[in-house]
Amino acid sequence: NAGVTQTPKFRILKIGQSMTLQCTQDMNHNYMYWYRQDPGMGLKLIYYSVGAGITDKGEVPNGYNVSRSTTEDFPLRLELAAPSQTSVYFCASSPRLAGLVYEQYFGPGTRLTVT
Amino acid sequence: AQTVTQSQPEMSVQEAETVTLSCTYDTSENNYYLFWYKQPPSRQMILVIRQEAYKQQNATENRFSVNFQKAAKSFSLKISDSQLGDTAMYFCAFMKQGGWGKLQFGAGTQVVVTP
Repeated sequence: NAGVTQTPKFRILKIGQSMTLQCTQDMNHNYMYWYRQDPGMGLKLIYYSVGAGITDKGEVPNGYNVSRSTTEDFPLRLELAAPSQTSVYFCASSPRLAGLVYEQYFGPGTRLTVT
Repeated sequence: AQTVTQSQPEMSVQEAETVTLSCTYDTSENNYYLFWYKQPPSRQMILVIRQEAYKQQNATENRFSVNFQKAAKSFSLKISDSQLGDTAMYFCAFMKQGGWGKLQFGAGTQVVVTP
């Protein structure tokens, strides 16, 4: 199993450009998440999904969009990139066992710089 | 809403010594989970230990143990016999039961293990 994979690893965007961060998991997990980590800070939840076709906002959703058409993929779209979106982005997934949710498995992260 | 506070930005410890990281949280929930994640320089998020709030017994994983004080809303991590590979950022995280597995992270504590 590859676990949770993210592409790209690094990206530099100009202000106003758009891009999609890719996230794929091969563990058949129902739940998937996108977090951002600003320098010296903990991770903050952007969006999450509890299954294909179901997504919801987290703590910091402004400037982002997501979709979940398959169990495996959960892409994060940045429209009109701004310097405030400079951050490291983590995708994570989690199984749903016996009605409960357990630990999250994280991808390696994408470092995004907007200049 | 829950908040997670890690009051120690950085801790230094010598090899083979013990270090304790503090974490407090604020919640009105009765059923929840607490986690400690490790983030080494590679940036990968690694689960260190998990505690279910309904369990009175403190969780242990090899050299890592927690002191969970539910009434005080405190969840400290003890690293025993510190090793150079323990050098990393450590994050405390809260997950409420029935909350779709969303994690609320603290700001982190940088642990530096010196020879």
